[in-house]
Amino acid sequence: QTVVTQEPSFSVSPGGTVTLTCGLSSGSVSTSYYPSWYQQTPGQAPRTLIHSTNVRSSGVPDRFSGSILGNKAALTITGAQADDESDYYCVLYMGSGLKVFGGGTKLTVL
Amino acid sequence: QEQLVQSGSELKNPGASVKVSCKASGYTLTYYGMNWVRQAPGQGLEWMGWINTYTGDPTYAQAFTGRFVFSLDTSVSTAYLEISSLKAEDTAIYYCARSGATSGGNWFGPWGQGTLVTVSS
Repeated sequence: QTVVTQEPSFSVSPGGTVTLTCGLSSGSVSTSYYPSWYQQTPGQAPRTLIHSTNVRSSGVPDRFSGSILGNKAALTITGAQADDESDYYCVLYMGSGLKVFGGGTKLTVL
Repeated sequence: QEQLVQSGSELKNPGASVKVSCKASGYTLTYYGMNWVRQAPGQGLEWMGWINTYTGDPTYAQAFTGRFVFSLDTSVSTAYLEISSLKAEDTAIYYCARSGATSGGNWFGPWGQGTLVTVSS
C-alpha cells in the first residue's frame, strides 16, 4: 500500500521561508496526482490552501504557493507569520476516485 | 456562500449505530461529490471515501469497508455517514468535505465544521 509522506515537524522564524514536502513511499509525485494542501489549527476544521498542485483557494494569501520540487509536491510559505503555526496536510489523488492524506506536518513559527 | 453544516456531537455506547448529517447550502448537492474524513484524537486526517451525489454510488477507502455507509437525501440537500457496531476506536471527529469544483474534483473544499462521535459505555 502506497504511503504519502510528510515531514512530521518543521520550524521557521517569523518572516522566514519554509518549504514543506509531500512524497510517496514508492515513486514520484507529479501533477497527475493533483496534490492539494490543507491547513488545520487546533480545534478547527481544515482549510483548503492549494489544489491541483499550485492553485490557491479563494482568500488564501499569495505567500502560500504550491509546486513540484524534484519527486515531491511542495508547499512554500514566504514571509511566515505567527498565525501560520498550524498542522499542514497534503492529499494525493491515486486514481479510481481514491485519495490519500499524508501524515501531516506540524509547523512551528518561532 | 457555499457551506456545509454538520449535525452535533454524539455519545454512543459500544455496539450502537450513529448517523452523521452534512447539509449543503449555497450550491446544488448533486453537482459535486461529497467526501468523508476522520480525525481520531490527536491524530491526522484520514480519507474515508466519497459518494457520487449524482448517481448515489459510494466509494470507500480500504479501512472503511463494512461498517461505514454513505448515503444522501437530495430532497433536503444532505449527505449522511452511518457507522454501525460502534467501537471505542471509532471515537473521532468526522468531517464532510465537498469535492472541489475544478480539476475533476480531486481536492476538498468547502469543509463541514466536524462532528465529534464519542463511543464509550
